[in-house]
Amino acid sequence: EAGVTQSPTHLIKTRGQQATLRCSPISGHTSVYWYQQALGLGLQFLLWYDEGEERNRGNFPPRFSGRQFPNYSSELNVNALELEDSALYLCASSLQVAGRGAFFGQGTRLTVV
Amino acid sequence: DAKTTQPNSMESNEEEPVHLPCNHSTISGTDYIHWYRQLPSQGPEYVIHGLTSNVNNRMASLAIAEDRKSSTLILHRATLRDAAVYYCILRAHGGSNYKLTFGKGTLLTVNP
Repeated sequence: EAGVTQSPTHLIKTRGQQATLRCSPISGHTSVYWYQQALGLGLQFLLWYDEGEERNRGNFPPRFSGRQFPNYSSELNVNALELEDSALYLCASSLQVAGRGAFFGQGTRLTVV
Repeated sequence: DAKTTQPNSMESNEEEPVHLPCNHSTISGTDYIHWYRQLPSQGPEYVIHGLTSNVNNRMASLAIAEDRKSSTLILHRATLRDAAVYYCILRAHGGSNYKLTFGKGTLLTVNP
């Protein structure tokens, strides 16, 4: 069974540009979570989508947005990129049940220059 | 979100057991205890989870205190591949709290 897949693996953008990151969850998982991990720092919760709706949002500015498609895949958009947005962006998927684990992709390394 | 407390770092020798502690004194009755680990340059990996009873799987064992205010992740025989940051997380049941809130975790070093 395929795990969580993220694309692209690496992305280099210029300050002020927009970045789009994609995530395909494990088949059957309806929840998708996005996290940011800046170099040497912990995982910061960004967004949670379930059944196509945004369910929760972390403490990030509105230029971080996303959506979930009918097939449960998800997209994270970061507008007006700043140098501080350089980080590893991780996507996880799970069933919408607390008693089940979440499974992470390998991440997209975004570099803003 | 209910908070967990873990030691910043621990050290072990290869092929010895490792006991990674986690305190969660404010746990609520419906919070599940989840453990994840993150190897260098990789995304986090699910390890194990439990509610009240001790749990075993192919990766590790989870021992949960009777009052549920603490738990211990047990790696029975540490290998070099187990060197990682281990996160203990409470995952609430219901509402907007299905998200996983990661703390700083415990950095496990395994000596050959």
